[in-house]
Amino acid sequence: AQKITQTQPGMFVQEKEAVTLDCTYDTSDPSYGLFWYKQPSSGEMIFLIYQGSYDQQNATEGRYSLNFQKARKSANLVISASQLGDSAMYFCARRANFGNEKLTFGTGTRLTIIP
Amino acid sequence: KAGVTQTPRYLIKTRGQQVTLSCSPISGHRSVSWYQQTPGQGLQFLFEYFSETQRNKGNFPGRFSGRQFSNSRSEMNVSTLELGDSALYLCASNEGPETGELFFGEGSRLTVL
Repeated sequence: AQKITQTQPGMFVQEKEAVTLDCTYDTSDPSYGLFWYKQPSSGEMIFLIYQGSYDQQNATEGRYSLNFQKARKSANLVISASQLGDSAMYFCARRANFGNEKLTFGTGTRLTIIP
Repeated sequence: KAGVTQTPRYLIKTRGQQVTLSCSPISGHRSVSWYQQTPGQGLQFLFEYFSETQRNKGNFPGRFSGRQFSNSRSEMNVSTLELGDSALYLCASNEGPETGELFFGEGSRLTVL
């Protein structure tokens, strides 16, 4: 099975600091997409950022950026200037191949922002 | 633009019963997929529909089924409920194949007693 690995089950970060959440993946597909989602305690999966495997530049969305290193099969999420509202579970996911909408998720990282 | 809407948000059933969950995608989105989230197994893909056709199916027993209507709304059904079916069921939509982001609803939390 093609796995997504998130090695940090939990992280504690001081408010206003930057945080990096790790994600590595297995794939043999030539074309794929990588996603990050935030899941607060309410349960909703909130889309944060998307990176296509052929995108030349790293994706950015506001305070979120994706550090994509294709050769290392790594797609780390960087949150700048963390806020208390960033406390949540964060999931990395990969889409098997373009046109196949199945997402394979990692086990998640629980991020807690400390005031 | 309204987001993905799932109903009901919470429900309690007993073993052996069946349940139907509903998902209304974002307006204009034609692809809908379903995921099951449990503490033990994490997030697992159930199935995906596009234009009323099931395009992909995950590794779940036949008790789990779904369908999509002409207006892109989707339902999933679980028959003969088991305790292990207790989970958060999440629906996601996107415009269709070949598009980037999938947007999720708030989920339907099913408890089986």
